[in-house]
Amino acid sequence: ETGVTQTPRHLVMGMTNKKSLKCEQHLGHNAMYWYKQSAKKPLELMFVYNFKEQTENNSVPSRFSPECPNSSHLFLHLHTLQPEDSALYLCASSQVGPGKLFFGSGTQLSVL
Amino acid sequence: RKEVEQDPGPFNVPEGATVAFNCTYSNSASQSFFWYRQDCRKEPKLLMSVYSSGNEDGRFTAQLNRASQYISLLIRDSKLSDSATYLCVVTRNNNAGNMLTFGGGTRLMVKP
Repeated sequence: ETGVTQTPRHLVMGMTNKKSLKCEQHLGHNAMYWYKQSAKKPLELMFVYNFKEQTENNSVPSRFSPECPNSSHLFLHLHTLQPEDSALYLCASSQVGPGKLFFGSGTQLSVL
Repeated sequence: RKEVEQDPGPFNVPEGATVAFNCTYSNSASQSFFWYRQDCRKEPKLLMSVYSSGNEDGRFTAQLNRASQYISLLIRDSKLSDSATYLCVVTRNNNAGNMLTFGGGTRLMVKP
């Protein structure tokens, strides 16, 4: 148990659907992240939130919309995705500053 | 040039062997360094931090060479359970906080 929980574990959606990924951390951290992991590619940072404020948007298309209502919860809202968006989406948390990330189990997303 | 580069492998070694992985990074302003381990279809988990003086954790030894901008991981007496992908992670602090960059990973397969 890493202290970071993500739901759902698996998601299949059509290109016209709207869905949301949820992440919750129980570690008392103040930074949360969304990463994308595609097959045979390095982990790609998507968004960073420090103390609920978005501090990094790594040129992510607007069809991905993050939301961070408090330091413990992070959402990724998805709409009109493309098949190439199929990947493992990982949430992580840490303390702000150069430190260690703790990951959730990820959501394996398939876009049909 | 990728910011963090690793040989993707796979490294196929017999049980009991010693194996070493290297990782190079391009940003000389990088501040902190880590090795993560990722099992197939699982989330990355922190294996160990890497310090300039070198550090050891049981069968694992990590080294950092700032002048040459590379990081190494040595695994002694390999076990079957060491089979995984090993991710090199480099961090730097900017105004947004903690920015981690992942290498593509090196896959290790330990055979009986």
